[in-house]
Amino acid sequence: AQSVSQHNHHVILSEAASLELGCNYSYGGTVNLFWYVQYPGQHLQLLLKYFSGDPLVKGIKGFEAEFIKSKFSFNLRKPSVQWSDTAEYFCAVYSGGGADGLTFGKGTHLIIQP
Amino acid sequence: SAVISQKPSRDICQRGTSLTIQCQVDSQVTMMFWYRQQPGQSLTLIATANQGSEATYESGFVIDKFPISRPNLTFSTLTVSNMSPEDSSIYLCSISLRNSGNTIYFGEGSWLTVV
Repeated sequence: AQSVSQHNHHVILSEAASLELGCNYSYGGTVNLFWYVQYPGQHLQLLLKYFSGDPLVKGIKGFEAEFIKSKFSFNLRKPSVQWSDTAEYFCAVYSGGGADGLTFGKGTHLIIQP
Repeated sequence: SAVISQKPSRDICQRGTSLTIQCQVDSQVTMMFWYRQQPGQSLTLIATANQGSEATYESGFVIDKFPISRPNLTFSTLTVSNMSPEDSSIYLCSISLRNSGNTIYFGEGSWLTVV
């Protein structure tokens, strides 16, 4: 079974700092990659996704992620964070076969201090 | 994407009772899924509910505890039976849209607290 590792469980940054959240997965075949965000008290929302093509994908709210196949990584980045980015971020990897092929990381709790 | 509505959004339940969560989608979808997100944890797939067939449960989840219905292509229910405090969790309905490359979209979740 595949696994998804998010390196940081808690991250605290100041506003305007740059952000990079790590995500590594273990599956060696073709994958679809996702980042989801869950703002406090809200439901899970899709932030961005990668299926094929340009390994640098841009999502909503200024987020982007880069797929590096050789490193099995899909790190999330944002050049300048805002207080409103405080949320839980989940990396997910889909390796096919229905929903049981979608594996979530344990999440990173991001806190942005004003 | 699609609009996924869940009811109830929140509830406080007594130990030993059962609660049914409803999930309504604004378009017809083949694949619907139920996830659980326990406090401070990531998402765990409970079962896959495809219309016209029995739900397929993941390891650790059984039909007697989490019976699921899927009467049509826009609706599903999940029942949490004989609840205990360990069942306190967010339960999420989700769908897969083939024209979005198997992207999975989530409902707003049903936050259940068992006392």
